[in-house]
Amino acid sequence: DGGITQSPKYLFRKEGQNVTLSCEQNLNHDAMYWYRQDPGQGLRLIYYSQIVNDFQKGDIAEGYSVSREKKESFPLTVTSAQKNPTAFYLCASSGAGLNTEAFFGQGTRLTVV
Amino acid sequence: AQSVTQPDIHITVSEGASLELRCNYSYGATPYLFWYVQSPGQGLQLLLKYFSGDTLVQGIKGFEAEFKRSQSSFNLRKPSVHWSDAAEYFCAVGVRGYQKVTFGIGTKLQVIP
Repeated sequence: DGGITQSPKYLFRKEGQNVTLSCEQNLNHDAMYWYRQDPGQGLRLIYYSQIVNDFQKGDIAEGYSVSREKKESFPLTVTSAQKNPTAFYLCASSGAGLNTEAFFGQGTRLTVV
Repeated sequence: AQSVTQPDIHITVSEGASLELRCNYSYGATPYLFWYVQSPGQGLQLLLKYFSGDTLVQGIKGFEAEFKRSQSSFNLRKPSVHWSDAAEYFCAVGVRGYQKVTFGIGTKLQVIP
C-alpha cells in the first residue's frame, strides 16, 4: 500500500536534547512538508521541500532543521533551540503540478520533559 | 498572502441532523480549496477539493462543499450526520494547487445521540 509513514507515534525526550522525527513516503511524490499542530492553532508549516536536496523554511522554522537526501525521506530534527517543542507533528507529501492535494502521515506526538 | 477563517471552533449536532461547516477565505485570484478531516491523534484525510469547474464538489463519506466566489466561501455540508463523523475539520486554501497552502484553525464537531 502506498502512503506516508511517520515514526515513532509517541516520542519522549529530555529538555535540551535534539530529536529526529522520521517521515517516509512511497507515493513517488516530489514535495514533502512538515507541520506542527497545537490545540486551537490549526496546522503551521515548519519546512517544505519540492525536490531532493532542496528545502525552504515555512512559517515557524526556528529551532528546527530538515534534510532531503532521498525523494522518499524527509526527516525533521527538533533542536534544543526550539523553545516549546512539545506538540503534534505531521508530515505530508504531494505530487507535482497544480491539481494535487497533500497526503498526511499519522503524526508523531513529541513530549519534552 | 491568502488566509482562511473557520468561524466556528466547536459545533454540536444531533445524529441524523444536517451539518454545515463554514469556511471563508481571502485570496486575490482563483483559489485551490480543500477540506480535510482529522480524528483524534491521527493524520488528516482529504474529504474533497475544488480546483475549477463545477462549484458544487462531492467528496467522500457523503460530504459536499460549494464554492461561492461572491462570498469567498467554501462551506462543507452533509445532509445527515453519523456518530462516526465526530472529528475536527480543516479548511485550507492553496496557491497553485497544494503549494503555499494555508489552513484554518479547524472546527471540532461533536455528534450527540
